[in-house]
Amino acid sequence: GAVVSQHPSWVICKSGTSVKIECRSLDFQATTMFWYRQFPKQSLMLMATSNEGSKATYEQGVEKDKFLINHASLTLSTLTVTSAHPEDSSFYICSAEGTPKNNEQFFGPGTRLTVL
Amino acid sequence: AQTVTQSQPEMSVQEAETVTLSCTYDTSESDYYLFWYKQPPSRQMILVIRQEAYKQQNATENRFSVNFQKAAKSFSLKISDSQLGDAAMYFCAYRKAGTASKLTFGTGTRLQVTL
Repeated sequence: GAVVSQHPSWVICKSGTSVKIECRSLDFQATTMFWYRQFPKQSLMLMATSNEGSKATYEQGVEKDKFLINHASLTLSTLTVTSAHPEDSSFYICSAEGTPKNNEQFFGPGTRLTVL
Repeated sequence: AQTVTQSQPEMSVQEAETVTLSCTYDTSESDYYLFWYKQPPSRQMILVIRQEAYKQQNATENRFSVNFQKAAKSFSLKISDSQLGDAAMYFCAYRKAGTASKLTFGTGTRLQVTL
């Protein structure tokens, strides 16, 4: 299967600061990337869908000004949590889909964010 | 809107035995995909098995098989000869056909495997 990486794997930051999480497809061109959020003992909730070179589409209830998503290349998407607060602490997972394996999403290992 | 329901928050199975995890979904689409994902303690999502709705034959991957009942909108996962390494959260997921279509996940079933 295809490989997707995320960096960092975990991050701790102070309240009010911004944090950037990277999602990379290592061996395929990711035309679409998805960002999920997972709270402890809960399921994955889709936050947004990003297509390379265009603006992300956010799910209802997700603040686009707080969770900035950039998908500037076919191998990299970034999620920036701006002015983070303790309630933003969560596990963030990205997935990617593209060429040559369409109709299948490959998941990154996730990033644990803790906001103090 | 599509919904995915997993009614078993937790299940337990003895090593070498068989267990079935339940999943139902709701959709008005005729062409879609269904998935079972495994999430071990590392939290890496691992695809276990995939079923295309247009295929009548149930998907099978080694010890894992599904019972896909399209009319009933049911998609259960059977794990045979359970192993300790099967212990994990299992999520059922749906996506409609087409590229860049989003996944909708169920709430998950935690599977314990005992000796």
